[in-house]
Amino acid sequence: NAGVTQTPKFRVLKTGQSMTLLCAQDMNHEYMYWYRQDPGMGLRLIHYSVGEGTTAKGEVPDGYNVSRLKKQNFLLGLESAAPSQTSVYFCASSSQYQETQYFGPGTRLLVL
Amino acid sequence: AQSVTQLDSQVPVFEEAPVELRCNYSSSVSVYLFWYVQYPNQGLQLLLKYLSGSTLVKGINGFEAEFNKSQTSFHLRKPSVHISDTAEYFCAVSVAGGTSYGKLTFGQGTILTVHP
Repeated sequence: NAGVTQTPKFRVLKTGQSMTLLCAQDMNHEYMYWYRQDPGMGLRLIHYSVGEGTTAKGEVPDGYNVSRLKKQNFLLGLESAAPSQTSVYFCASSSQYQETQYFGPGTRLLVL
Repeated sequence: AQSVTQLDSQVPVFEEAPVELRCNYSSSVSVYLFWYVQYPNQGLQLLLKYLSGSTLVKGINGFEAEFNKSQTSFHLRKPSVHISDTAEYFCAVSVAGGTSYGKLTFGQGTILTVHP
């Protein structure tokens, strides 16, 4: 039981490049979330999903897209990376009937 | 909308001393309250949560928190800290009742540094 895993762990991009971050969970959770963490700002919700095939915007969705084609996976895409997207990205999941979110180890992204 | 304020960005303390990390929230509806801990270069781990019932909540690693509705606070306490408690601590809220799909609003974080 690996919990929540994220791929890759680190990435360096140049401005304008694209990439996809993968989140996978093996707990059969309905809900999945993408957050970004910046110093002094805590974690802010980018997008979330309440089930396979559904996604919704969070607090800071601009510049990101997401997809949830399979229940266990939640992908975060950056179509044209900008230096302002330099951050640590965390994925989390939770059961429909519980309030606890389980977090992945994070992806550190640097956009030059 | 909900908001969370952690009143101290950094808290230095000596080993075996007590510590309190302060958290205040704002919401027009009932909320659930959480404390998460983040050790260096790791993800977040749940310390404790308040959903309903007793206002004093006990969590892992000897931490506890008290929900005070009148003061809209949820302060985290530990009577005697260890070096291994050095980490960043986040207070978070979600709307009670499941209508928000568990979305969390986080505070800015408090870095607890325990000195020998």
